[in-house]
Amino acid sequence: GEDVEQSLFLSVREGDSSVINCTYTDSSSTYLYWYKQEPGAGLQLLTYIFSNMDMKQDQRLTVLLNKKDKHLSLRIADTQTGDSAIYFCAEIRDTNAGKSTFGDGTTLTVKP
Amino acid sequence: DTAVSQTPKYLVTQMGNDKSIKCEQNLGHDTMYWYKQDSKKFLKIMFSYNNKELIINETVPNRFSPKSPDKAHLNLHINSLELGDSAVYFCASSQGGRREYNSPLHFGNGTRLTVT
Repeated sequence: GEDVEQSLFLSVREGDSSVINCTYTDSSSTYLYWYKQEPGAGLQLLTYIFSNMDMKQDQRLTVLLNKKDKHLSLRIADTQTGDSAIYFCAEIRDTNAGKSTFGDGTTLTVKP
Repeated sequence: DTAVSQTPKYLVTQMGNDKSIKCEQNLGHDTMYWYKQDSKKFLKIMFSYNNKELIINETVPNRFSPKSPDKAHLNLHINSLELGDSAVYFCASSQGGRREYNSPLHFGNGTRLTVT
C-alpha cells in the first residue's frame, strides 16, 4: 500500500504467538487500525490505537505503537486455526478527508 | 441485521458491457466508500461520499461513476468494462462527517467482478 508496508506472509503453529508488523511514513497519522479479512468476506475491524498511546491490549490482541520509528505491531496470543486470515493495518490522516490508507495485508497461516 | 450490503455478490460479464453494483448501509453513517481489491489482495480507495457529496475521487478511469441517491446508498456504475477491471469491489461506510474522519470502516462482503 501507498506508504504503509507489511510483510506479506506469516506462518505459525497453533498455540504460538503471532506478531504482524506494519510501518507507516506519515507522522501526522492519528488513528491506526487493524482489520481482519477472512476468505470470501469483507474486512472487519479488529482493533485500533490512537497515536497518543503506546500500547493497547484487548483479550488475546496486543497492539504496540512506536511513533519514533513509525512502527505498529499486532500480537495475537495463543493463535488458533480460526485466526488464519489476511490482516491489514490502516492509517487515517486527518488532513486527508477520511481516506484510509491500507497496507498490503499479511496472510497469516496457522498450522495445527 | 445492521450492515453494509452490496449486490450482486458475483458478476461475470464480457468486455465492453456496462454494469452496476449497488450498496446500502443501515448503520446511519454519513460517509460511504468504494474500494477495489486486486488479485494480490491489495486494497485501494476509489471514491468516497459524505452525505451524497463526493469528497474523494482517486485516479480512477472515468468509466467508473459513483452515484449516491441518498446517504444510505452508494452505487457504482462501470461503462465499457475491460479485462483489467476484474477484481473484488468493496463498499464501506463510516460514521461522522467532515472533520470527524476518525471512525473505522464497516465493509460489505464484496462483489467479485470477472470480465471475460
